[in-house]
This record gives sequence, structure tokens and C-alpha cells, in this order.
Amino acid sequence: EVQLVESGGGLVKPGGSLRLSCAASGFTFSTYSMNWVRQAPGKGLEWVSSITSSGSYIHYADSVKGRFTISRDNAKNSLYLQMNSLRAEDTAVYYCARDPAYYDTLTGYVDSWGQGTLVTVSS
Amino acid sequence: EIVMTQSPATLSVSPGERVTLSCRASQTVSSNLAWYQQKPGQAPRLLISGASTRATDFPARFSGSGSVTEFTLTISSLQSEDFAVYYCQQYNNWPWTFGQGTKVEIK
Repeated sequence: EVQLVESGGGLVKPGGSLRLSCAASGFTFSTYSMNWVRQAPGKGLEWVSSITSSGSYIHYADSVKGRFTISRDNAKNSLYLQMNSLRAEDTAVYYCARDPAYYDTLTGYVDSWGQGTLVTVSS
Repeated sequence: EIVMTQSPATLSVSPGERVTLSCRASQTVSSNLAWYQQKPGQAPRLLISGASTRATDFPARFSGSGSVTEFTLTISSLQSEDFAVYYCQQYNNWPWTFGQGTKVEIK
């Protein structure tokens, strides 16, 4: 069974930083592309970032480009999101999400989701 | 960026009724369209990919259709467990974008 468990969320002041982690199990993590998708409280879904299996190809939403960095450690079956210069509008539940594509490609949709971790940016 | 527009925003339905949800793209997305179901307090779940390929977790009463810019999700006979928010998402062009969601609620 595919399991994605996020951690690292919490309360942070505007301008601060936070690092989210996602521990993957139940599948061969190193062969799948991965994503972060967020959802502001009571709002819809927003794609944040994608990374292919080797880390060769990375995409960011314009809203986070230059502030967030996605990375992965295939030896540790883990996905990360380093978030800097946080703003109030970054407040959201952040989901770790698997793309069904293999080997450095992206299909662009999500076939498995974690339960999410809440990031609150407030003074 | 491709804008995805879902209609209606809310649908009030009785169990057993047929439900049709619409999703429109601001430019062509071919058949690169997914639907997700999200219940309160839960993560979304993949329902449909490729505009019409149903995920194995979901029963045959769910079906997707459409291409280019116009898409439809149909629930043939709504069950109590189907009350949720449904999102469409295009993956034809980066950034992948979602519709704002349609909430299916009990009438």
C-alpha cells in the first residue's frame, strides 16, 4: 500500500522559513516523480512544485518560484520542500503527492496523496 | 496559464439522482484532464484520468467524458458516500491547474 506521510508544518512568522518532509513507503520511491500541492483553508487546490524521479526536471508555480525549493533523497525515500520568505498567502495544507510517471517523466496528475501538513504564516 | 472553470459551484442532489458536473478549460487540454474527489478533512483522491479512465477504487457509476475544452463528470445514481467536493485538473500545460471545485451536497 502506498503511504505518504508529511511532516514539518507549523506556525511561522512572515519572512520566516520552514522545511517540509514527506516519507514514502509501499512503492519504489526512486522511480516515481513527486509533487507538492497545497490547499488554503476553505479553498481549492494549487499545484506548487514537481520533481522527476532523478531530480533532473523541476517545475515551480510562479507564486513560489525563487522562494521554495523542492528536493528528494531517493536513498531515504523522502521528498522535501524548503520554504523561504514565507507570506500570509502561503498558509495552507501542503500535500505530498505521487505522479504515476516512471523514470524522469511527468504525467501531470496525482494518483496518491498524503494526508497533508498545515503551514500557518502569521505574526 | 490555463484557467479551469467548473460549474455549478454547488449542486444539491437527492440520493439516487443522476448528477452531471462540468469543467471547461480556457484553451485546449486535449484529453489531459483529471477529476478528484475530496471529502471534508481528507486528502483528495484520484477519480478519473485521461478525461475518461476511472481509477480502480471507484465504482462504475462514475464516468468522465469530453476533450479539448469541455469535460463532464457523471454520477449515474448518487450514493450517500458520494457527497463531496469534486475538482477537475488539466495537465496538458505547466503549470498544472485545478478548477475551483463543485460541492455535491444533500438536498
